[in-house]
Amino acid sequence: KQEVTQIPAALSVPEGENLVLNCSFTDSAIYNLQWFRQDPGKGLTSLLLIQSSQREQTSGRLNASLDKSSGRSTLYIAASQPGDSATYLCAVRSEKLVFGKGTKLTVNP
Amino acid sequence: DTAVSQTPKYLVTQMGNDKSIKCEQNLGHDTMYWYKQDSKKFLKIMFSYNNKELIINETVPNRFSPKSPDKAHLNLHINSLELGDSAVYFCASSPWPGQATNEKLFFGSGTQLSVL
Repeated sequence: KQEVTQIPAALSVPEGENLVLNCSFTDSAIYNLQWFRQDPGKGLTSLLLIQSSQREQTSGRLNASLDKSSGRSTLYIAASQPGDSATYLCAVRSEKLVFGKGTKLTVNP
Repeated sequence: DTAVSQTPKYLVTQMGNDKSIKCEQNLGHDTMYWYKQDSKKFLKIMFSYNNKELIINETVPNRFSPKSPDKAHLNLHINSLELGDSAVYFCASSPWPGQATNEKLFFGSGTQLSVL
């Protein structure tokens, strides 16, 4: 049974810092891994999708990496801004899509 | 031009009532889903439909019945609501799941259900 863990559960940083969010999963037989952003009272927005054959994906200030063999992914956010404050969820697609609990990020001005 | 829209956004009701949540997507996707996010923020799949056919049905009480009149709509009907049903319910859609490596989910904004 696939289990997805995200550490830390919450993170508070000053504006401008570079930061890394971590995601680990127990079963390396995956099709893909997605990072989502969830804002309070809103749905999830897909940020990046990494296929199992890929090592990383980049979109603007976001870079996601995937190490399937070790069951890990990281989401790197460069030059963080207050608008980046949200909960970031990692989801792994094997038989079905399994979500982590998320990391709540607060970027302070 | 909302991609995945669900209504209502908030739903407050008494125990024992029957309620429905509607979902529509205008992305032309073949697959739609219902997810439940509980108070601990865990997001779990409930149902998945592909082109109006049920393909995933997790261990969900049969008081929950999804209905897909066409591939752009997936409604969730809940009978005899219980306190434990209180959660946020998210609808989502994606392209054909057979291409799992390219499966990107698009979510609605959620329906917060409160059962009193």
